[in-house]
This record gives sequence, structure tokens and C-alpha cells, in this order.
Amino acid sequence: AQRVTQPEKLLSVFKGAPVELKCNYSYSGSPELFWYVQYSRQRLQLLLRHISRESIKGFTADLNKGETSFHLKKPFAQEEDSAMYYCALSANFGNEKLTFGTGTRLTIIP
Amino acid sequence: EAGVAQSPRYKIIEKRQSVAFWCNPISGHATLYWYQQILGQGPKLLIQFQNNGVVDDSQLPKDRFSAERLKGVDSTLKIQPAKLEDSAVYLCASSSGLGRGGNEQFFGPGTRLTVL
Repeated sequence: AQRVTQPEKLLSVFKGAPVELKCNYSYSGSPELFWYVQYSRQRLQLLLRHISRESIKGFTADLNKGETSFHLKKPFAQEEDSAMYYCALSANFGNEKLTFGTGTRLTIIP
Repeated sequence: EAGVAQSPRYKIIEKRQSVAFWCNPISGHATLYWYQQILGQGPKLLIQFQNNGVVDDSQLPKDRFSAERLKGVDSTLKIQPAKLEDSAVYLCASSSGLGRGGNEQFFGPGTRLTVL
């Protein structure tokens, strides 16, 4: 069975400071990892996925299979980054079922 | 393109009553999901449809929950009878299932259910 752990429920960071949201997973196969974000009064939406290896809104995330981690990082936080962030895992590329972590609420302090 | 639509947005019922939620996925999306999100937790998959067939319903409490996707488009999720612990946001999502990015899931606004 797969599991996603986000150890921080709440995270506050000053504007301009670096941000790191932690995500660890357990799964014996080759997972696909995602970060989804929910801004205030908006729908849950995809932020980025590890296979794309791209930066979205300044955020990056690297899949570390040795540490089974997929931490989300941004070098300089902006106020509009305040949101709820969920790490999610898909067990294999043929089955698109997502297993979500419990989420981290990120607040950027002006 | 129009997003995933859900109705109602809010529902308050008493325990032991029945309730139904409706979802209209993005046009052309073959895969449809229903998630349950209890306050303070991440979304949990209840059921996944591929067209009008069930792919995964392993976490659906089948004694009280049912779902259908007739004609492979719209879907309804029903709870009968509701319990207090069913209070949650019910999210519908869809994906095209095509190509490398085909498993991006697009979420609806959710239905917030309160069971009293």
C-alpha cells in the first residue's frame, strides 16, 4: 500500500525568504509524484509533477528515491504563494489513482 | 474549456437521511473520480470510473455509498443512510487518460456535506 506523509500542517514564511514544504512517501514500485495546490476559494489544481521536471510559479520539486522524498521548494516566497499544498502519489502510470498527504497550509508573512 | 461541475455546493441533512451528489466532468474525459475530504485530511479516493466501468472502488463503503456513471459522462454519488462521520467535502475530478500528461486530474469545486 502507498502512503504520503506531510509532516508540517502549518508553515509560515516571511516574504522573500526560501520555502520548503516536505513530502515523504512509501511505495515499493516506481511512483509518480505530484504537488497540488488550493488557493483561497479556488479549486484544487495541479502545481507540478516530477516527470515534467519543470518550474511552475518559481516552485521546483525533485524526486529523491533514496530518501523517498519529493520536497517542494521556492527560493523567494511571494504573498500569492499562501495556500494549501498537497503532495500526492500515483502508484503506477497505468492506474491514475492518487493518494494524497494531509496537506500543509503555507502562509507568507508580508 | 469548461471545468468540472458539481452540485449542490452545500448540503445539510440529518443522520439516517439520504443524499445525492452530481458531477459533470470535462467534455471528453474518460476517467472520473470521487474523493472524500474530511476536515484536516487530504482527499481520499472513493471510486474511479473509466468511461462507465468501475476501475477502483476499494475504499467505497458499499453498505451505504453507491455511485454510477451512466453513459460514461455524468456521475452521481449517493449516501443512504448518512452517518455523522460522512460530514466532509465530496470532490469530483476527471482526467483524459491520454498521453504523458493525461493523468492530470481536474477537480470540481466540491460539495460540502454536513450531517447533523
